[in-house]
Amino acid sequence: QSALTQPASVSGSPGQSITISCTGTSSDVGSYNLVSWYQQHPGKAPKLMIYEGSKRPSGVSNRFSGSKSGNTASLTISGLQAEDEADYYCCSYAGGSTWVFGGGTKLTVL
Amino acid sequence: QVTLRESGPALVKPTQTLTLTCTFSGFSLSTSAMCVSWIRQPPGKALEWLARIDWDDDKYYSTSLKTRLTISKDTSKNQVVLTMTNMDPVDTATYYCARMMDHGDYRGAFDIWGQGTMVTVSS
Repeated sequence: QSALTQPASVSGSPGQSITISCTGTSSDVGSYNLVSWYQQHPGKAPKLMIYEGSKRPSGVSNRFSGSKSGNTASLTISGLQAEDEADYYCCSYAGGSTWVFGGGTKLTVL
Repeated sequence: QVTLRESGPALVKPTQTLTLTCTFSGFSLSTSAMCVSWIRQPPGKALEWLARIDWDDDKYYSTSLKTRLTISKDTSKNQVVLTMTNMDPVDTATYYCARMMDHGDYRGAFDIWGQGTMVTVSS
């Protein structure tokens, strides 16, 4: 269960789009369509933003979208807003009813 | 409305056993597909999945920590308990419990989280 690999930080200006990658292996991201993404503001609990790779929970802005190609999943945020500044974590099913998170990405809105 | 709340000691000594309780409302852990996991986050670091218990009492653990972890549930009290033995300063973290559904809406994702409880391991 090695952690999924995410860039430590990404940044973008208001209105721009950014993409955060999440690279795993053929044993987790590559084998299952069970990647989820979480937004975490400082001092707060994580919030589910994307599940099953590309589905948005009710109430999550359609500016957030997810995709997957091979062993890499991606989260794209379009029309960046100041409130999007937060840490983002990916998570994947890793088989055997176990789960693995990514190392987290700090998004800065310039 | 679904809510989860973690409770437990804020400070434990090295080698002691930590016991955390997750008290939830708005769903039942006796309902098919319902699961509760524990996840932790050391200060300034990433999330780490620890354990999960299912509606049918199946239990699953992180490979790296399974010798130290025990998860259990009390369906009548709507509670899930996690024990972690032989605590070490590296176990200092905020511990969260979170709901997951094995199928149906939000399958395979932690859709509702508790606020977290900070545990410091220090002598």
